[in-house]
Amino acid sequence: GQQVMQIPQYQHVQEGEDFTTYCNSSTTLSNIQWYKQRPGGHPVFLIQLVKSGEVKKQKRLTFQFGEAKKNSSLHITATQTTDVGTYFCAGEKGGGNKLTFGTGTQLKVEL
Amino acid sequence: DVKVTQSSRYLVKRTGEKVFLECVQDMDHENMFWYRQDPGLGLRLIYFSYDVKMKEKGDIPEGYSVSREKKERFSLILESASTNQTSMYLCASSFSSGWFHEQYFGPGTRLTVT
Repeated sequence: GQQVMQIPQYQHVQEGEDFTTYCNSSTTLSNIQWYKQRPGGHPVFLIQLVKSGEVKKQKRLTFQFGEAKKNSSLHITATQTTDVGTYFCAGEKGGGNKLTFGTGTQLKVEL
Repeated sequence: DVKVTQSSRYLVKRTGEKVFLECVQDMDHENMFWYRQDPGLGLRLIYFSYDVKMKEKGDIPEGYSVSREKKERFSLILESASTNQTSMYLCASSFSSGWFHEQYFGPGTRLTVT
């Protein structure tokens, strides 16, 4: 079955440092979504990427979808304590909105 | 504002008990999903439903069943709870049409089976 791997599993940074998490799918995806889960909370949708090579920005967050539509990355510039949480990628193959979630990257930000 | 609610935040059950987890959404979404979340494993899809009375197995359906009698309500049933079903259970919903398939999650139910 479809697998989505995400690395690293954990990342500990100082406030102001950059952070990147990577997502790799075993199969070609129709789109990829990113979610953020704050400690004690539930996943919240951040963005969806559809096109090959697509790059989208949300303030300090930059999302990329690979040319082959099998990998993606999320980069945060100058992390803040509000960025703390676990970031999940989720790949959709075909239609139906059935997502396969990555294992997540837990980000901790120290002052 | 989309709202997905789950019947309990915390639940403790004994091995062998039948457990019902309820999820209700108020956005008239066609799709509903049940996931379990375990450390290091991310979110794994148990069952999903595209419409009333329709259900599809996800990646880990063993030991679970579901019911969707009304569009807004999706129930997860553990026929005979076991300790390896101790987990966080998350319900989600989404529209089926349109370009964006954002899933909206409920707050989760942390189930402990003793």
